[in-house]
Amino acid sequence: DAGVIQSPRHEVTEMGQEVTLRCKPISGHNSLFWYRQTMMRGLELLIYFNNNVPIDDSGMPEDRFSAKMPNASFSTLKIQPSEPRDSAVYFCASSPRAGLNTEAFFGQGTRLTVV
Amino acid sequence: DAKTTQPPSMDCAEGRAANLPCNHSTISGNEYVYWYRQIHSQGPQYIIHGLKNNETNEMASLIITEDRKSSTLILPHATLRDTAVYYCIVRVTSPGYALNFGKGTSLLVTP
Repeated sequence: DAGVIQSPRHEVTEMGQEVTLRCKPISGHNSLFWYRQTMMRGLELLIYFNNNVPIDDSGMPEDRFSAKMPNASFSTLKIQPSEPRDSAVYFCASSPRAGLNTEAFFGQGTRLTVV
Repeated sequence: DAKTTQPPSMDCAEGRAANLPCNHSTISGNEYVYWYRQIHSQGPQYIIHGLKNNETNEMASLIITEDRKSSTLILPHATLRDTAVYYCIVRVTSPGYALNFGKGTSLLVTP
């Protein structure tokens, strides 16, 4: 398996533009997580899904952020409108099943720069 | 989830054992101890986890004290490629868990 695939790897956009980050989890995994990493705040959990259903989105910073998982093999994180403070590395992760003794596999991340 | 406390940074000479401590004094009976690491610019990588007993795999060993209030991750023969930030996480055993990362320990392995 190719692992968790995120696209794009790098994104530079202007303030006010819409940004869509994409994630393909490992086949057969039914939990998916979106994280954001900055120097100031470290790794923050934004939202996670089990069986394509959002379970906890309390980490989503504002209404400008939204995430969807239309099927088991694809998820998006959208920021509209984007702001310079959204600049960060966004990681997607998946795990094989909900519950115990499961490790999360992370993608390589998307480095977002909003100018 | 219980909170964890880790030293912000540590050094280790290449070839020596790296012992990374973690305090989790408020851990509950149903919480596991997980260790992940993040090498610069990469996504976090799972290392090992345990509940009560000591665990060992091809990457590391995990020693959990009898009262479960602290643990130590041991990299038996550290290499330069082990330079990374190491995160100790305790997690409740509920369906659809999420990992909550703290600040971790930045380990520098020197030649």
